[in-house]
Amino acid sequence: DAGVTQSPTHLIKTRGQQVTLRCSPKSGHDTVSWYQQALGQGPQFIFQYYEEEERQRGNFPDRFSGHQFPNYSSELNVNALLLGDSALYLCASSPGRGNYGYTFGSGTRLTVV
Amino acid sequence: QQPVQSPQAVILREGEDAVINCSSSKALYSVHWYRQKHGEAPVFLMILLKGGEQKGHEKISASFNEKKQQSSLYLTASQLSYSGTYFCGPQFGNEKLTFGTGTRLTIIP
Repeated sequence: DAGVTQSPTHLIKTRGQQVTLRCSPKSGHDTVSWYQQALGQGPQFIFQYYEEEERQRGNFPDRFSGHQFPNYSSELNVNALLLGDSALYLCASSPGRGNYGYTFGSGTRLTVV
Repeated sequence: QQPVQSPQAVILREGEDAVINCSSSKALYSVHWYRQKHGEAPVFLMILLKGGEQKGHEKISASFNEKKQQSSLYLTASQLSYSGTYFCGPQFGNEKLTFGTGTRLTIIP
């Protein structure tokens, strides 16, 4: 049973560009959350998708947007990239929005130059 | 509102015990615990759903004091494989899972 799959694994972008990261949740999971993890820091919540809608959002600017598809997979889009957006982006899935453990993907390492 | 964990870092010899604490300024509804090894994704350890609950996972267990808005993770007879950074993740109802400041655990032979 495949867990959470993220693509690509690594990405280098130039400041000002746009990027799209993709996530396929674990089988049976319908809720996807995205996190940003800077080096040496804990994961910071970006937003959560459930039933194809953004249900909650963390303290991230509108440059960060997302989408969830009918098959529960999800995308994270970041526009007008800044150097400070360089981080590991983690996708986590769960079988609902409530009290369930999250399964994390291995992440996408984004470097903005 | 990020939960505070203590200690920030700890070094143990194999076989020693450790306690990691997680304190929240907000009333807790449930608490998750995760371990993240260097360069890897966080891995779910356990979730505590109500005050007073204790759970165990091999030699790793946790408690949840709802009144004190605290949770503690106990690692007994630590093994080399326990090395990593541990995060608590308080959750308030259906709200987002917020990760604590993290505790880096290093186990040496």
